[in-house]
Amino acid sequence: QLQLQESGPGLVKPSETLSLTCTVSGGSVSSSSYYWGWIRQPPGKELEWIGSVYYSGGTYSNPSLKSRVTISVDTSKNQFSLKLSSVTAADTAVYYCARLSSGWVFDNWGQGTLVTVSS
Amino acid sequence: SYVLTQPPSVSVAPGKTARITCGGNNTGSESVHWYQQKPGQAPVLVVYDDSDRPSGIPERFSGSNSGNTATLTISRVEAGDEADYYCQVWDSSSDHPVFGGGTKLTVL
Repeated sequence: QLQLQESGPGLVKPSETLSLTCTVSGGSVSSSSYYWGWIRQPPGKELEWIGSVYYSGGTYSNPSLKSRVTISVDTSKNQFSLKLSSVTAADTAVYYCARLSSGWVFDNWGQGTLVTVSS
Repeated sequence: SYVLTQPPSVSVAPGKTARITCGGNNTGSESVHWYQQKPGQAPVLVVYDDSDRPSGIPERFSGSNSGNTATLTISRVEAGDEADYYCQVWDSSSDHPVFGGGTKLTVL
């Protein structure tokens, strides 16, 4: 059974870089059948796609965040990661990692991790 | 960019049918996916490709998509169906996924 688990600091200072890792078990990030993605949800608000990565390292990200987003994959550790630079309070959210399957559907999600941006 | 519009809230009595809409420009030509999110939990896929159900999702959940509106239908609604529901498509013009604003389903 595929499982995804986010990890990283729950508190980040303004202007610093948010870093999260998603560890995949029960499946492989090296599969050519899937992309792997990050989605966030500010408290009480809607879902927002951040970006996605392929096993080859190819990435694409939300134009509204593109200049601040770096997504990478580590096939040796079966993980993929998110870095979001120059964070502000507006980046406070629950961050989810998910598998992006055929038809561009997020068919498996991690439990999510709350990241608060505050000094 | 592509915009998906959902009603903020829908209310339904137990045992009745709930319909949640997702409006967008020619959604009928896109594959629409639906997610259920209960408080404090991650979203769960309940319908994909307009009308298919993942394994483990009850047959009470169904979907349709035509013209400018996709619809998630929940038959014989139960108290446990109370949740936020989000629709999602792939915006081929900008090459990225787009989520609707979400609909809170309240079971009266």
